[in-house]
Amino acid sequence: NAGVTQTPKFQVLKTGQSMTLQCAQDMNHEYMSWYRQDPGMGLRLIHYSVGAGITDQGEVPNGYNVSRSTTEDFPLRLLSAAPSQTSVYFCASSPARNTGELFFGEGSRLTVL
Amino acid sequence: GDSVTQMEGPVTLSEEAFLTINCTYTATGYPSLFWYVQYPGEGLQLLLKATKADDKGSNKGFEATYRKETTSFHLEKGSVQVSDSAVYFCALSSGGFKTIFGAGTRLFVKA
Repeated sequence: NAGVTQTPKFQVLKTGQSMTLQCAQDMNHEYMSWYRQDPGMGLRLIHYSVGAGITDQGEVPNGYNVSRSTTEDFPLRLLSAAPSQTSVYFCASSPARNTGELFFGEGSRLTVL
Repeated sequence: GDSVTQMEGPVTLSEEAFLTINCTYTATGYPSLFWYVQYPGEGLQLLLKATKADDKGSNKGFEATYRKETTSFHLEKGSVQVSDSAVYFCALSSGGFKTIFGAGTRLFVKA
């Protein structure tokens, strides 16, 4: 049972480059979300989706785009990477419209030089 | 807005010691409360939850009681093991679309 799969696990970018972090879940969950984890700040919500075709902003959405064309996939796009986006990114899903019980991927560590 | 405050770490204990990690929250309404655990190099996993006042969540020897009067959800374990070394996150969900996390508390357990 794969659960939530994130790729890549590690990525190094130069300032101004763009990239996409991939997230896929095989549990038929309605709700998917992206968090970033920074030392001393816990997890902060970037964007979330309550179903295919529906997305909304979280706490720290600037510099990131998302789309949800299928139930399974929820990619996170960095439009023009900045050093402030150096972080560990987690994708999470939930079977209902966010009961708070989240299933997390293993994370993607991004470094922007 | 809603928020979660956890005790700062790291917390360092010897094996078989008693563990308490404090967590307090601010929320409108009646949130559900959670503890998540993150082992090195992994994503977060749900450890336990409580959905209403006076509920006690428990799992793997860990417990936490939802105290509405003190807006707290402290995590406890009677006898920690080296394998409990991890980062622990307190979180709340108020029934909307956002789960709010605390900053995390790192636990080191020495053999």
